[in-house]
Amino acid sequence: SQQGEEDPQALSIQEGENATMNCSYKTSINNLQWYRQNSGRGLVHLILIRSNEREKHSGRLRVTLDTSKKSSSLLITASRAADTASYFCASLGGGNKLTFGTGTQLKVEL
Amino acid sequence: DAGVIQSPRHEVTEMGQEVTLRCKPISGHNSLFWYRQTMMRGLELLIYFNNNVPIDDSGMPEDRFSAKMPNASFSTLKIQPSEPRDSAVYFCASSLVIQGNYGYTFGSGTRLTVV
Repeated sequence: SQQGEEDPQALSIQEGENATMNCSYKTSINNLQWYRQNSGRGLVHLILIRSNEREKHSGRLRVTLDTSKKSSSLLITASRAADTASYFCASLGGGNKLTFGTGTQLKVEL
Repeated sequence: DAGVIQSPRHEVTEMGQEVTLRCKPISGHNSLFWYRQTMMRGLELLIYFNNNVPIDDSGMPEDRFSAKMPNASFSTLKIQPSEPRDSAVYFCASSLVIQGNYGYTFGSGTRLTVV
């Protein structure tokens, strides 16, 4: 079963705008990861944030982690049409198991 | 590096037939994972291996499913006999476990249709 829930399920924005996706998880974690999946393709690892970190940046991506609320957010700044994809958070808990959320479908329109 | 390689990309089979999915992980990675993705259940971890040894197969849905990793460069997921509800995209992923901080590299998946 899916451990994480993501919000929103779908998001449509205009190119150049920022996109924010949220994720909640249920158990304690070692780290939390975000992945992107283009239609019909495999998942691509975007960024990893450790449980003792609160914020991390990578290019146009900014990830925050609040372990007290068991939540994380992914911000994509200055979005592009090529960012259109599904985005998944994944929590790494005990036993080396990565559990994925339900995903957010992002559509960036020209 | 060619990444994680899965074969076949697509498989259509009749109910009751045996299906074998194959995966070649990234050279040097020491962990391998099999996931299944459906619209209804999302991404589910079926089984994972560490250093070729199955560590957790609690996600394998039934005895009809079995997975092997005979060496560090090859793994199979077998379904026998297959059923229509097994239709899904099956992903293999590999990772190098270092101090608990690592990302997974996924293959392109095998889309299985059981009719």
